[in-house]
Amino acid sequence: DAGITQSPRHKVTETGTPVTLRCHQTENHRYMYWYRQDPGHGLRLIHYSYGVKDTDKGEVSDGYSVSRSKTEDFLLTLESATSSQTSVYFCAISPGQRRADTQYFGPGTRLTVL
Amino acid sequence: QQQVKQSPQSLIVQKGGISIINCAYENTAFDYFPWYQQFPGKGPALLIAIRPDVSEKKEGRFTISFNKSAKQFSLHIMDSQPGDSATYFCAARVLRTGKLSFGAGTTVTVRA
Repeated sequence: DAGITQSPRHKVTETGTPVTLRCHQTENHRYMYWYRQDPGHGLRLIHYSYGVKDTDKGEVSDGYSVSRSKTEDFLLTLESATSSQTSVYFCAISPGQRRADTQYFGPGTRLTVL
Repeated sequence: QQQVKQSPQSLIVQKGGISIINCAYENTAFDYFPWYQQFPGKGPALLIAIRPDVSEKKEGRFTISFNKSAKQFSLHIMDSQPGDSATYFCAARVLRTGKLSFGAGTTVTVRA
């Protein structure tokens, strides 16, 4: 998975609790992305980062925040988890934004909010 | 609202047959169209991609056909093999950004 790890791989939590998912890369890529995958929706971009401390919103950012204090780590936080945030979360990395710059995906984190 | 519409949701094909997946879009700001393949429990992986100034791209048994005027593109898997059984996502990239919009996915099952 192109030097990308996600932790935890599985998590079950309760509504209203905070949750932080971690993406760690060893490729020194500049761009990092968080997606969620839901049946019937494909993958939808939550937030992305174009450098340390530089982040921007994706199409489904409500209820999520991110932080990137180091090139290799990109954190996704659910401040107060809701059942609608039950999903599989994927991190992706990319060296740039040219057409040839492929996005490489991590193995995913399955989150269940009860 | 999904910016890239993908069909069918699933398909079953016999070994050696052809699998065809179709995608359509409206946003003319898309400038790159990758296809991703995903096996159960894994993250998606780039399979093949095409630029809008090219009408067809072939890599091995996988071919993308692109119709710019109709805003449609499709993936053809020739001589389908059981190892091709996976979920396939079409995607489109917004011009000069890394943002991808994905289709809903097609689960392909190849029967031996």
